[in-house]
Amino acid sequence: AQSVTQLGSHVSVSEGALVLLRCNYSSSVPPYLFWYVQYPNQGLQLLLKYTSAATLVKGINGFEAEFKKSETSFHLTKPSAHMSDAAEYFCAVSDTGGFKTIFGAGTRLFVKA
Amino acid sequence: DAGVIQSPRHEVTEMGQEVTLRCKPISGHNSLFWYRQTMMRGLELLIYFNNNVPIDDSGMPEDRFSAKMPNASFSTLKIQPSEPRDSAVYFCASSGGQGAVDKHFGDGTRLSIL
Repeated sequence: AQSVTQLGSHVSVSEGALVLLRCNYSSSVPPYLFWYVQYPNQGLQLLLKYTSAATLVKGINGFEAEFKKSETSFHLTKPSAHMSDAAEYFCAVSDTGGFKTIFGAGTRLFVKA
Repeated sequence: DAGVIQSPRHEVTEMGQEVTLRCKPISGHNSLFWYRQTMMRGLELLIYFNNNVPIDDSGMPEDRFSAKMPNASFSTLKIQPSEPRDSAVYFCASSGGQGAVDKHFGDGTRLSIL
């Protein structure tokens, strides 16, 4: 069975500071891994995905994530936070068919001026 | 390109009433998913279709919930009778193409059952 654990339901950073959102996964097969972002009153939007190619994945809005099999982690980072990054972020794992995607509980990112 | 379109955006109704949520997937996408989001349970997959055929409905909470996809451009999620605990945001998502795993979400329907 697949599962995802996001460490920290809330993360607060200052504008310009490093953003680090943590995600650990469990999967019995090589997984597909995703980060999605959700702005208020909107649906989820794909930030980036890992599909067994390069372990360092670059996404939209300056975000990137690194797949570390030994640590079963897929943490999301951005070197410099912007006010517009304030949103909820979801890590997700999927089988290679891509149908049954399991989402983490989400991490709400606050960005302070 | 138009994204996934859901209607209505908001629905408030009294318990016992029938509720119908609608979804138009992105043209050309052959998979459609219905999710429910609540504070307590997060995002839950209710059911998904591939080429208009229901593949897995194990996430549908009760027989009061039903979903249909009569054609490639339309799906409904129905709750009958509705109960207050059904209050949530319901999302529709679609994905397409062989091997395509990216899900495109609609903006959701916020459902309140009084």
